Amino acid sequence: DTAVSQTPKYLVTQMGNDKSIKCEQNLGHDTMYWYKQDSKKFLKIMFSYNNKELIINETVPNRFSPKSPDKAHLNLHINSLELGDSAVYFCASSQSLEADTEAFFGQGTRLTVV
Amino acid sequence: LAKTTQPISMDSYEGQEVNITCSHNNIATNDYITWYQQFPSQGPRFIIQGYKTKVTNEVASLFIPADRKSSTLSLPRVSLSDTAVYYCLVEGYSSASKIIFGSGTRLSIRP
Repeated sequence: DTAVSQTPKYLVTQMGNDKSIKCEQNLGHDTMYWYKQDSKKFLKIMFSYNNKELIINETVPNRFSPKSPDKAHLNLHINSLELGDSAVYFCASSQSLEADTEAFFGQGTRLTVV
Repeated sequence: LAKTTQPISMDSYEGQEVNITCSHNNIATNDYITWYQQFPSQGPRFIIQGYKTKVTNEVASLFIPADRKSSTLSLPRVSLSDTAVYYCLVEGYSSASKIIFGSGTRLSIRP
């Protein structure tokens, strides 16, 4: 009974392709996030959504487009994949944007662009 | 944004107490201090959070001095399974500062 689940866990694709990563949380949280962790292990926030509305968009190329069909889902679509997009992408959720709330992370999606 | 500075790596032995200190000189009044743990091939996991003084849970203790410009995560009697990366975060109620991760401290526990 996973709290935050991402699919797929591994994704290998060629440059130029378009791919999507799905994220679902069953915690009833209002806020969801996407993070990118590169080869140097730095975790960088990409997007955050609160009640299906975009809150943060951190200097992410336009090729990345998050979509939140409902509060429980935040999917990440990537167009025209580039080699530099290879990384582990983590989805997370928290009850709200309040500072004292705990974030729950998914297991990650390892994206490899060849 | 309040930035955090913590040691890149630390080593210790099983059964020891480990203290990881984090500096956050520009912490704002409304900011909380949160620590996460990340094992290889897993997402970060919340460990503990505090605002001031001391917080303790079943996993760790968090010590925060009065000026709140630093904090120390204390792990009692570590085991091999505590080998992980530990992130110190400063979180405030604003979209700009929510859950910003620093470089983390890679803790290695030896037998």
